[in-house]
Amino acid sequence: DGGITQSPKYLFRKEGQNVTLSCEQNLNHDAMYWYRQDPGQGLRLIYYSQIVNDFQKGDIAEGYSVSREKKESFPLTVTSAQKNPTAFYLCASRSNSHTDTQYFGPGTRLTVL
Amino acid sequence: QKEVEQNSGPLSVPEGAIASLNCTYSDRGSQSFFWYRQYSGKSPELIMFIYSNGDKEDGRFTAQLNKASQYVSLLIRDSQPSDSATYLCAVHGSGNTGKLIFGQGTTLQVKP
Repeated sequence: DGGITQSPKYLFRKEGQNVTLSCEQNLNHDAMYWYRQDPGQGLRLIYYSQIVNDFQKGDIAEGYSVSREKKESFPLTVTSAQKNPTAFYLCASRSNSHTDTQYFGPGTRLTVL
Repeated sequence: QKEVEQNSGPLSVPEGAIASLNCTYSDRGSQSFFWYRQYSGKSPELIMFIYSNGDKEDGRFTAQLNKASQYVSLLIRDSQPSDSATYLCAVHGSGNTGKLIFGQGTTLQVKP
C-alpha cells in the first residue's frame, strides 16, 4: 500500500519547545516538500529536498529545520524560534515523471499552548 | 501582485449546475497547472493537471488553460453536494525545482 504518512495527526506544544513532525513515503519519489497552511490561506512552502542529503529553503523557512538522510524520510523540526507555529503542516512528494505532480500526506495539526 | 490569484468565494451553486472556478497567474514562464480539492480538515487531493492550451476533460471535470491570458479554470459539471470543498489552483513556474505556487483557494458550496 503505497503512500505518504505523517505523524502525529495532532500535536500540542508548549512555548519554547522544539517539536519534530514525521513524513515518510514509500513511493520512491526523489523530491519531498513541507508546506504550512493557515486558516483560509493557501499553502506556503517551508523547505524542499530534491535528493537525499540536500535541501533548500522555501518562502518561510525561518524557525524551521529539516534533514534528508534517507530517500523515504523528510522530518521537519519546528523550533522555539518560530514565533507563530500553530498551523496545519503538510508534507508532499513529487512524482519522478515529467508531470511535476505533488501528492500530499494527511497532515499534522500543530497547536501551541 | 500575488503570483497565483483565486477568488476566495464562497461560490454557491445549486445541485446539478455547472461550477466554474478561476485562477490567474503572473509568471509567463509557467509550464504546468494543477487543481487540488481540499475538504475541511483534510489534505489536498489532486483532481487534474494541464500543460497545453485548451481543454482537458476527466469525467465531470474540465480544466481550461489559456497561457496568453495567464488564466486557468476548472469546470465541474452536474455539481453534487459532495463537491463542496475548497479548490486550490497550483502553478509550476519556470525552472526545475518542482516548486508549486498555490492560490489561496476558492470555497465551493453545492446546495441540494
